[in-house]
Amino acid sequence: GENVEQHPSTLSVQEGDSAVIKCTYSDSASNYFPWYKQELGKGPQLIIDIRSNVGEKKDQRIAVTLNKTAKHFSLHITETQPEDSAVYFCAAGSLRRGFSAGTASKLTFGTGTRLQVTL
Amino acid sequence: DAGVIQSPRHEVTEMGQEVTLRCKPISGHNSLFWYRQTMMRGLELLIYFNNNVPIDDSGMPEDRFSAKMPNASFSTLKIQPSEPRDSAVYFCASTSGGYSNSYEQYFGPGTRLTVT
Repeated sequence: GENVEQHPSTLSVQEGDSAVIKCTYSDSASNYFPWYKQELGKGPQLIIDIRSNVGEKKDQRIAVTLNKTAKHFSLHITETQPEDSAVYFCAAGSLRRGFSAGTASKLTFGTGTRLQVTL
Repeated sequence: DAGVIQSPRHEVTEMGQEVTLRCKPISGHNSLFWYRQTMMRGLELLIYFNNNVPIDDSGMPEDRFSAKMPNASFSTLKIQPSEPRDSAVYFCASTSGGYSNSYEQYFGPGTRLTVT
């Protein structure tokens, strides 16, 4: 099965600096890579995702890059703010060719990165 | 929409007791997932359903765990008998699985289970 490794486990940055979280996956069939943010006492929430036909995707201060050859993908947060403090999870899954809506595939999550943005 | 609804939010029970966790997915979503989160093991997928049918239950730790989805708007995760090592936060998530080109899993607030 799929195995996702995530680093670092904790990350502390000063407000305004950039933060980078890296993940690797093992299953070459994986083609969908979402990132989730979990705030204290809440469930994870999707912040950005990327599919294997794209190498990079950006949404305001958040960007994700994917290297299929090396089987790794990264989350980049620029101009960090205190509200970015949370636990971030990467995940990998497979959207099958001919995939029919309503038949979701499972995700394998990384172990999480606790990001602390200090003033 | 109210989002994914889970109940109870907190459950404290004694070892050996039966525990039932409940989940109402977002209306119109066809897929439902049960996860367990602990410090040691992170976020683990226990089981997931597509169109109310269990697709993959390989993450269910033991026969003490069972899950059902009798209809599109309700699912249960049952632990019988419960053990202290079952203490964790249990999340339910649902997704439309591709409708509107979205594969986002929407997570509920979780049920914090403590087995003493």
